[in-house]
Amino acid sequence: TQLLEQSPQFLSIQEGENLTVYCNSSSVFSSLQWYRQEPGEGPVLLVTVVTGGEVKKLKRLTFQFGDARKDSSLHITAAQPGDTGLYLCAGAPAGNKLTFGGGTRVLVKP
Amino acid sequence: GAGVSQSPSNKVTEKGKDVELRCDPISGHTALYWYRQRLGQGLEFLIYFQGNSAPDKSGLPSDRFSAERTGESVSTLTIQRTQQEDSAVYLCASSLAQGAGEQFFGPGTRLTVL
Repeated sequence: TQLLEQSPQFLSIQEGENLTVYCNSSSVFSSLQWYRQEPGEGPVLLVTVVTGGEVKKLKRLTFQFGDARKDSSLHITAAQPGDTGLYLCAGAPAGNKLTFGGGTRVLVKP
Repeated sequence: GAGVSQSPSNKVTEKGKDVELRCDPISGHTALYWYRQRLGQGLEFLIYFQGNSAPDKSGLPSDRFSAERTGESVSTLTIQRTQQEDSAVYLCASSLAQGAGEQFFGPGTRLTVL
């Protein structure tokens, strides 16, 4: 069992559709990070959420941190082929090392 | 550039040979991580260096895997007697702070064991 469970594992949608990716845990985190990894590259940080209930927007991406700081979601509006990639959430419980979820592979078809 | 660099970018080796993978972190970053990523999968934590503390080796899959770091600079990941199941992309990341600090990743080394 992973500390951070992501769902779904894989998502294939048409351009223009919306999608939501979830990141859940039974542990409380002081913050959670979301990364995106494109083919052939290393992951790149998209956002860090810090406050319970926080909502952050990055263009068409909306990130939410659960009130209890145990879960987070990423919502993409009107997805584009350029959103294709592996989305990873990550957190460091109790100041330990950063731990990654298993990832959600998103494919946006034109 | 000022990012994390890894070498080689690709490595093809024969089963049973030893390989060394290199990571140059961002200058000043005290934390350094190695991950393994199999095709189509997420990140598998291997080892973590933080300053002068003893490394966290809890993710190393077998005693064929080892890693060293010179001070707060270069790190090498060594795989001895490679097996076909070692084939994967090996990613290195560095971070300014321990714990929840942002990780900056290198492009990875793609290892293929024939």
